[in-house]
Amino acid sequence: DVKVTQSSRYLVKRTGEKVFLECVQDMDHENMFWYRQDPGLGLRLIYFSYDVKMKEKGDIPEGYSVSREKKERFSLILESASTNQTSMYLCASSLLGRGLEETQYFGPGTRLLVL
Amino acid sequence: SQQGEEDPQALSIQEGENATMNCSYKTSINNLQWYRQNSGRGLVHLILIRSNEREKHSGRLRVTLDTSKKSSSLLITASRAADTASYFCATVRSGSARQLTFGSGTQLTVLP
Repeated sequence: DVKVTQSSRYLVKRTGEKVFLECVQDMDHENMFWYRQDPGLGLRLIYFSYDVKMKEKGDIPEGYSVSREKKERFSLILESASTNQTSMYLCASSLLGRGLEETQYFGPGTRLLVL
Repeated sequence: SQQGEEDPQALSIQEGENATMNCSYKTSINNLQWYRQNSGRGLVHLILIRSNEREKHSGRLRVTLDTSKKSSSLLITASRAADTASYFCATVRSGSARQLTFGSGTQLTVLP
């Protein structure tokens, strides 16, 4: 079974702090994704990566950056946390398959509160 | 704009009843996927239906796809309290083989 883990389930940070959210997958997947989920807004893609050291912006990259130094690890960085970044953050991975049938496997989520 | 929109936003039923959720989308697709999310947890993939398929079954789940109407439905038969969760449809974004667009979800509550 694919396992996607996230470094923290709950996180409380202060405005202006630099925040690191870590995600690790154990199935040698090429693609990794970071989403945020807010009530009424569904899942919104922040960044994704399809290979080591590769990254692409999603729908809402502002205020975030990412790092993928190893295939299994994808980090989301909030350079200077703000209260509007309080949210549930979900990491996902998928295999670069054929036929556009890419199921995504999700981590348990990190609920971040920025005070 | 949302590629997938689920309907209804919330659904409450008694245990043993069937639950039907609908999803509409806007552009052509290669496949459509349904995911489930328990409260405060990550999403779990349930089922994928290809654009050339009209119906697919998996256990108590039945998914239909009507590409002419750009819609899909998820039916959960003989629901259980443990089916209480949010259900999302997702489609592959046009021009991207990797990215999925998720709808805003249907919150299903199954009352014991």
